[in-house]
Amino acid sequence: DQQVKQNSPSLSVQEGRISILNCDYTNSMFDYFLWYKKYPAEGPTFLISISSIKDKNEDGRFTVFLNKSAKHLSLHIVPSQPGDSAVYFCAASREPQDAGNNRKLIWGLGTSLAVNP
Amino acid sequence: DAGVTQSPTHLIKTRGQQVTLRCSPKSGHDTVSWYQQALGQGPQFIFQYYEEEERQRGNFPDRFSGHQFPNYSSELNVNALLLGDSALYLCASSPVGWNRVAGGELFFGEGSRLTVL
Repeated sequence: DQQVKQNSPSLSVQEGRISILNCDYTNSMFDYFLWYKKYPAEGPTFLISISSIKDKNEDGRFTVFLNKSAKHLSLHIVPSQPGDSAVYFCAASREPQDAGNNRKLIWGLGTSLAVNP
Repeated sequence: DAGVTQSPTHLIKTRGQQVTLRCSPKSGHDTVSWYQQALGQGPQFIFQYYEEEERQRGNFPDRFSGHQFPNYSSELNVNALLLGDSALYLCASSPVGWNRVAGGELFFGEGSRLTVL
């Protein structure tokens, strides 16, 4: 059962335009969401996050929007640059059921973004 | 400040063999998590170590085991390797208190690419 879904395996946009990557989740206990970027043969690199108490978080060219009622979040990249071409993962976490534990991430399958010059 | 370091970066094993992967967390981090990323998939949580104990475990068989040392570094061991164990194994470390604060990020290493023939 995929609790975090990224339904678009790939996305292609022109340089300078907006890239919108979408993510849906099913578990209403998730309260913290992160976006990671991954190049081939490298580990994931953190991009931006959002807590469930917010509906928007912005960091430079990257903005994440959260719609809790729809269990949907999206990552906007404006303007898109060729260096943004990578696989983008949406990940979610919840408060650990055991207070002695640390959070773990539940990941989507990723969306491969290609930004064309 | 060194980030998360993993070794080896690549290795090839045959079915039935055993493998040990190593991870050193980012300075100041005391919790290490291991994830498996198969080709075309998102990372899957294997287990998490804190205070030298396994704290949480994902849906992985007992062939997967681990250890955390007093210096917070960690090992992932996989016994009786199967073809399906071929994947990128990612180590992630998290800052102290990440389990109590809805913020921060998991820091990932470059991963160890395991190929089972």
